[in-house]
Amino acid sequence: DIQMTQSPDSLSASVGDRVTISCRASRSISNYLNWFQHKPGKAPQLLIYAASTLQSGVPSKFSGSGSGTDFTLTISSLQPEDFATYFCQQSYSTPHTFGQGTKLEIK
Amino acid sequence: QVQLQESGPGLVKPSQTLSLTCSVSGGSINNIGYYWSWIRQHPGKGLEWIGYIYYNGRTNYNPSLKSRVTMSVDTSKNHFSLKLSSVTATDTAVYYCARGRWGSYSEIDYWGQGTLVTVSS
Repeated sequence: DIQMTQSPDSLSASVGDRVTISCRASRSISNYLNWFQHKPGKAPQLLIYAASTLQSGVPSKFSGSGSGTDFTLTISSLQPEDFATYFCQQSYSTPHTFGQGTKLEIK
Repeated sequence: QVQLQESGPGLVKPSQTLSLTCSVSGGSINNIGYYWSWIRQHPGKGLEWIGYIYYNGRTNYNPSLKSRVTMSVDTSKNHFSLKLSSVTATDTAVYYCARGRWGSYSEIDYWGQGTLVTVSS
């Protein structure tokens, strides 16, 4: 199985900040990397797929980059509704494994 | 707007079979452009991909669970199901159903809210 490792596990930031979350794959997954936002009690939401393609309806404040084994999710101009857990998933090969998640909290 | 909703018992006894159904609205489960997936999250842990089923019954299961997992699809009711046999306490988790796009990057585009299943006597 491909292992996905996110960093950091948690992150404190202020409204208006720009933050970056990293995701590393244990071997190359080309650009088969997806990013999701998850709020407690809600369905997770797809933000980015194919490493850098913004899902329809998702604000352009979210952006993704990377290929191979190293990927990044950047969120600009944080707003209160952006504080949530973010996780990555590889869809290069089954089982489609997930990162452990990064909890973004208000400072 | 596509919506998925999990349903099933919230409590299952050890050694029994966990059974969940995911009802799909706002889209047909017969659509060849999508697959239908189950994912779970153990308390305080990361997400675990259980597998998926395509509308024609083709399946792909996580090898770690393959011997105990059965997925099925009912196109007449527009829902799909998960059965996990011989459960133990380690199967206690929030179970999510989801829709993925078939082909290209296989990304999941819609999830259900999840349902907590506790395995306990």
